[in-house]
Amino acid sequence: QKEVEQDPGPLSVPEGAIVSLNCTYSNSAFQYFMWYRQYSRKGPELLMYTYSSGNKEDGRFTAQVDKSSKYISLFIRDSQPSDSATYLCAMSAGGYNKLIFGAGTRLAVHP
Amino acid sequence: EAGVVQSPRYKIIEKKQPVAFWCNPISGHNTLYWYLQNLGQGPELLIRYENEEAVDDSQLPKDRFSAERLKGVDSTLKIQPAELGDSAVYLCASSFQTGELFFGEGSRLTVL
Repeated sequence: QKEVEQDPGPLSVPEGAIVSLNCTYSNSAFQYFMWYRQYSRKGPELLMYTYSSGNKEDGRFTAQVDKSSKYISLFIRDSQPSDSATYLCAMSAGGYNKLIFGAGTRLAVHP
Repeated sequence: EAGVVQSPRYKIIEKKQPVAFWCNPISGHNTLYWYLQNLGQGPELLIRYENEEAVDDSQLPKDRFSAERLKGVDSTLKIQPAELGDSAVYLCASSFQTGELFFGEGSRLTVL
């Protein structure tokens, strides 16, 4: 079993929809949780960073961490076609040094 | 400010041939990472440098893979000989100390 599990999708939604992306993990030592966005044939770019449990909001994006359930989520409000990309969750016990990535969920937002 | 630069972007080789990838990190970033991303998977760390020193190479297959970071700036990742299973995207990333990672666009390898 992988340390980080993420549904690969693809997920197809209409423009304006609320998108929910999720990851589960097994390592209780993970304290740092990130979401990366990766456009086709590009490198990943950091979208959200959360330390330990709780919520974090940045514009249309909200990241949630539930350490008791070992479950993290990324919500995208008012989704736009430009949000079409692969979303990778990543986590570690010690900052950015040893990130463990999920497989990524491919999202398509259609007009 | 220029981002992480990788070359070549695409490389097609026959199996058993050697191949090398080059990475130029963001200016001032002392930490450099090489990641492997297989199709439909997330990146997996191969090696991490702090300045010239490889501080984590536990996931680097040392029988055929090698890496170097001369003068603590540019880095080269080499595969010799390449195998069919090495077809993937090789991502370079850099950071200042242990801060946020910035990724390059990757080098896509196809081994025939």
